[in-house]
Amino acid sequence: AQKVTQAQTEISVVEKEDVTLDCVYETRDTTYYLFWYKQPPSGELVFLIRRNSFDEQNEISGRYSWNFQKSTSSFNFTITASQVVDSAVYFCALSEGANAGGTSYGKLTFGQGTILTVHP
Amino acid sequence: NAGVTQTPKFQVLKTGQSMTLQCAQDMNHNSMYWYRQDPGMGLRLIYYSASEGTTDKGEVPNGYNVSRLNKREFSLRLESAAPSQTSVYFCASSEMWQGAYEQYFGPGTRLTVT
Repeated sequence: AQKVTQAQTEISVVEKEDVTLDCVYETRDTTYYLFWYKQPPSGELVFLIRRNSFDEQNEISGRYSWNFQKSTSSFNFTITASQVVDSAVYFCALSEGANAGGTSYGKLTFGQGTILTVHP
Repeated sequence: NAGVTQTPKFQVLKTGQSMTLQCAQDMNHNSMYWYRQDPGMGLRLIYYSASEGTTDKGEVPNGYNVSRLNKREFSLRLESAAPSQTSVYFCASSEMWQGAYEQYFGPGTRLTVT
């Protein structure tokens, strides 16, 4: 069975600090996809990134960066120079690949979420 | 292009009452899903529909039923609501793209059962 663990329940930082949100996953599949979602106080889920199991390149998008390490089954998310608008709940999620031979149909397994509060 | 819409946005039920949560998508996606979100537990899959005419149980299906009415609509029914079903419910739809399913979420329904 798949499992995603976000060990940090809550993180509190002061604006302009860098912050890393940890995500560790478990799966027996060789083909899988990892995601990060942001849930701001308004409640909607905002897609941030998708990464497939064959691509271990790190990715940077503005102040956001992601570090994917298959050797440690981790997909960590770093916000550089955090801002108050980054305050949200962040979810890491995992799905089996469509060509893995199973019947996942894109079902997502979510971590518990990390509440990030950025203080001015 | 509205994406995924859900109704109602908020609902309060008494224990034992029934209700149906509605979800519709206008992206012509084959797959649709219902998740519930509880504090400290992330989102958990209740039911999903891989394609029109099919539905399957997810991680937490007890107490719920679903109907895939057509390709656009996927409803979730609580036959006899219980306080344990107090939660935020999200509907999502997806289509395969480059080997993966990209899920698009609705705005959520906040349900309270007293």
